[in-house]
Amino acid sequence: SQTIHQWPATLVQPVGSPLSLECTVEGTSNPNLYWYRQAAGRGLQLLFYSVGIGQISSEVPQNLSASRPQDRQFILSSKKLLLSDSGFYLCAWLDRGKAGELFFGEGSRLTVL
Amino acid sequence: GIQVEQSPPDLILQEGANSTLRCNFSDSVNNLQWFHQNPWGQLINLFYIPSGTKQNGRLSATTVATERYSLLYISSSQTTDSGVYFCAVEGYNFNKFYFGSGTKLNVKP
Repeated sequence: SQTIHQWPATLVQPVGSPLSLECTVEGTSNPNLYWYRQAAGRGLQLLFYSVGIGQISSEVPQNLSASRPQDRQFILSSKKLLLSDSGFYLCAWLDRGKAGELFFGEGSRLTVL
Repeated sequence: GIQVEQSPPDLILQEGANSTLRCNFSDSVNNLQWFHQNPWGQLINLFYIPSGTKQNGRLSATTVATERYSLLYISSSQTTDSGVYFCAVEGYNFNKFYFGSGTKLNVKP
């Protein structure tokens, strides 16, 4: 069966420090991959999506970036965090072979101080 | 992108009551899903329902694609139903899923 993992689950970082969140999917190949951010008490904002290795589409201009170095690995990064980067980051995947259903990881909660 | 509106934004129910949550969307969609976000933040898939009606236990959903809305029904609500319910749609440009702002449900014992 397919599973998706994110880490770290929680992190507290100072303003100006770098960030790396990782997401991996198991049990499938060539999935679409997504990064969403959820501010406290708000809905989900699409940040990046990828349809294949090295293919990244950005939805919102910001100081975040994403990379897909392997088929089932999706990384969210920042060189210098801002206070406004705090939030709950969710990775998701979609397998077009299974009726196009979107599945989410457990999430990474980031607090920037 | 596609605009997704959910109503009501907040809902308080007594345990055992029934409720209907609504999702309106602004354009034709290829995909529509309902999710439940539990208090720990985990998003749980409830229904994949681009059209038609589905039922799963006390929950059911109906999407009327031609009229651009979907409804989620919760019957005999339980405290474990509390959380935020999201509707998400994918347009025919594929690949992008747009979320509504959610309905926050609080079921009181």
